[in-house]
Amino acid sequence: EADIYQTPRYLVIGTGKKITLECSQTMGHDKMYWYQQDPGMELHLIHYSYGVNSTEKGDLSSESTVSRIRTEHFPLTLESARPSHTSQYLCASSDPGRDLTEKLFFGSGTQLSVL
Amino acid sequence: GQQLNQSPQSMFIQEGEDVSMNCTSSSIFNTWLWYKQDPGEGPVLLIALYKAGELTSNGRLTAQFGITRKDSFLNISASIPSDVGIYFCAGRSLGANSKLTFGKGITLSVRP
Repeated sequence: EADIYQTPRYLVIGTGKKITLECSQTMGHDKMYWYQQDPGMELHLIHYSYGVNSTEKGDLSSESTVSRIRTEHFPLTLESARPSHTSQYLCASSDPGRDLTEKLFFGSGTQLSVL
Repeated sequence: GQQLNQSPQSMFIQEGEDVSMNCTSSSIFNTWLWYKQDPGEGPVLLIALYKAGELTSNGRLTAQFGITRKDSFLNISASIPSDVGIYFCAGRSLGANSKLTFGKGITLSVRP
């Protein structure tokens, strides 16, 4: 099992504020991911990283940015939040396992509301 | 892009009943994963499937990897109230860096 932590769990902020959503994992996983989830919809990949100093944009375009300076830490930043950014943000990391049987483990998520 | 279809969006069953959910795709996948998400939490992995035809159980849960590689199903037997939640299927195609595609999920309600 992976231990992966996200803070804050809930965040309500005003338009134009800069925010950083934190994500840390303690299992030494190289691969980490950020997903955006809206009610009744599938999880959309917005960013991923395959290791330190590696970051890539996902399938869904996002105005957020990420960094990966340490293996265990993968924060997501919004420079200027807008109401359209209101969503659930889920961080995940993956354990490649044997024979590339990769499994994804999720944090509890951050519910962001931008007023 | 690849899409996974899960329907219906919601299911309502009586405690003690069995329920089956399936997940279909027009594309071939080489890995199928089933996740459950409780309210306010992240998805938790229930079952992982890696071979066509594979049938795997986890307690009261059983999942199968379809022979065509384009579908998978999850069965919950003797449902209990804590089975309530959203059940997502996810698939991954071949390739070392291929990423997971998720379905929209099925919300399961269990009446006591």
